[in-house]
Order: sequence, then C-alpha cells, then structure tokens
Amino acid sequence: GAVVSQHPSWVICKSGTSVKIECRSLDFQATTMFWYRQFPKQSLMLMATSNEGSKATYEQGVEKDKFLINHASLTLSTLTVTSAHPEDSSFYICSARGTGQGAKGYTFGSGTRLTVV
Amino acid sequence: AQSVTQLGSHVSVSEGALVLLRCNYSSSVPPYLFWYVQYPNQGLQLLLKYTSAATLVKGINGFEAEFKKSETSFHLTKPSAHMRDAAEYFCAVSDRSGNTPLVFGKGTRLSVIA
Repeated sequence: GAVVSQHPSWVICKSGTSVKIECRSLDFQATTMFWYRQFPKQSLMLMATSNEGSKATYEQGVEKDKFLINHASLTLSTLTVTSAHPEDSSFYICSARGTGQGAKGYTFGSGTRLTVV
Repeated sequence: AQSVTQLGSHVSVSEGALVLLRCNYSSSVPPYLFWYVQYPNQGLQLLLKYTSAATLVKGINGFEAEFKKSETSFHLTKPSAHMRDAAEYFCAVSDRSGNTPLVFGKGTRLSVIA
C-alpha cells in the first residue's frame, strides 16, 4: 500500500534555530500534502495544504513566514519551522493524497515530535 | 463545512467488555468517514473507513463501525476489549471530491482495565 516516510521522528532544537521536517511518498505521487499539528492530548489541527508546484494554502492563524512549506516534487514535501520557540513544540504530521488513490486514500507519515528548548 | 463530534473525551472499559466510541458528523454533502487509532508518540493508523459501499464497515483489530444516515452517526465498536486497545481514537470526515483535508474530531481516549 501507499507509504509516506516522515523524518526526523523526533528533534530537539534550541530556541531561535530552524528545523526542517520531510515527508516522502515512497510508492506513489503525492499531488497534495496536508500538514497537521497536534498539541499534547489534543486533536490534529490542519496547518496548511500544499499542491505540487504551487504555493501552500495556510489555515487561519498559521504564520506562513514561520512555517515554510515546500512541495517542489511529487514525492517530497517539507515543512520548515523557522526561528523556533518553545511554543512551537508539538507533534507534526503530514498526510498525502496522490494520483489514482481517489477520495479514499489519505496516507499519513509517522509524525515528528519537535521540542524547542 | 464538515465536522465530527466525538462524544466523551475518555472512555474506560473492562477487559473483555464491549467498546463503544461515539462519533456524529455534520456535512452538507454525503461524506466519507474514517476512524484512526493513535498510540502514544506515534502517528495515526487507519482502523476503517466508510466510502459509501456497505454501511457496516469492518476494520482491523476486530473493530467495526456502522454508518447511520438517519442519526448522522458513525460509532466505532468492538465486542471484546483487549489491553492493547488502550489508545487515542479519532473520528474524521472528508468530502468525496478528494481535494479537501480530513477534519478530525477531538479524540477519545480509551482505557482498558484488567
């Protein structure tokens, strides 16, 4: 079945530095990537939607200059948290949809636990 | 806009007892519905999904859910709980276009008591 590889699985960074999270579709072409954030004991909140080759669409309240999303190819999408602060500590998960999957397939990455110290 | 409401943020059952996790949806168009399970510090695992075929959907690990349009519900059940079922469960909804993201409920934490 469809697989999305997300890494790193966890990362600790210092406040003020940037962190890049990658999601790769291994056996299908991911035309759309959704990025979610999950705070402890809470649900997944959509941050942004990106289509390959286009600028990402951000949800209200999500700073596009802070959470940079790149979806330059059909197999790779990245989320860069710039100038990270402790309040950005969270669990980030990507979800990919691709060609041929129809409306039934949302393939999730395994998530990245970001801790900013 | 689509949404799902999960009734009960925490459900506790005894091992061997029936598991019932409730989910009601709101959608102006016929939706697709999903149940996911999340273990601590892990990603999401798809349990089952409703995509307008049979209204009773069987999933992995002995779980099943029934789509009831009249009640706008998609409750998740399992006849006999195991200790390993203890996790967070999320109900989610999408439209049928394939162009929209999943919208998740707030989640229900299932505890299984020995």
